[in-house]
Amino acid sequence: KQEVTQIPAALSVPEGENLVLNCSFTDSAIYNLQWFRQDPGKGLTSLLLIQSSQREQTSGRLNASLDKSSGRSTLYIAASQPGDSATYLCAVNNGGGNKLTFGTGTQLKVEL
Amino acid sequence: GAVVSQHPSWVICKSGTSVKIECRSLDFQATTMFWYRQFPKQSLMLMATSNEGSKATYEQGVEKDKFLINHASLTLSTLTVTSAHPEDSSFYICSATGGLGETQYFGPGTRLLVL
Repeated sequence: KQEVTQIPAALSVPEGENLVLNCSFTDSAIYNLQWFRQDPGKGLTSLLLIQSSQREQTSGRLNASLDKSSGRSTLYIAASQPGDSATYLCAVNNGGGNKLTFGTGTQLKVEL
Repeated sequence: GAVVSQHPSWVICKSGTSVKIECRSLDFQATTMFWYRQFPKQSLMLMATSNEGSKATYEQGVEKDKFLINHASLTLSTLTVTSAHPEDSSFYICSATGGLGETQYFGPGTRLLVL
């Protein structure tokens, strides 16, 4: 059974700092991995999708990497802003019916 | 990007009543829709997978007779919480995808409070 863990569980940084969020998964036979953002009481916004054959994806200030063999992914946020404050979730797709297994989330707070 | 809506956004009901939640893909055809439940401070837990025109597939531990799912068209899936009880109070989120390996687009969620 796939298990997804995210470290740290919570993170508080000053504005402008670059930061890295970590995601690890136990079953490396994945189809793809996705990073989401969730604001309090809201649904999820997809940030980046990395296929199993890819090593990284970039969108603006966000860069996600994938090391399938070691079961790890990182989300790099450059020049963080207060508007980046949210919970970040990674989710792994093992291909079986496109089901996602979600990580425990990292709650990020970017302070002025 | 693709838009998924949910209705209602929040609902309060008495114990024993049934509540229906709708999930719609507004600008694409969703061959598959998923229903998740999220308790406070926890991550999303998949409840069931719904394919258009066929019966939903439920995850282990999810009662199919309590959580009725219907996916009658490529743009609409409904989740009915039957005989709701306070322990069913949660945040219910749906997602939709157009095909295997494609991005899942999530709805804004429905907060259910059962008194």
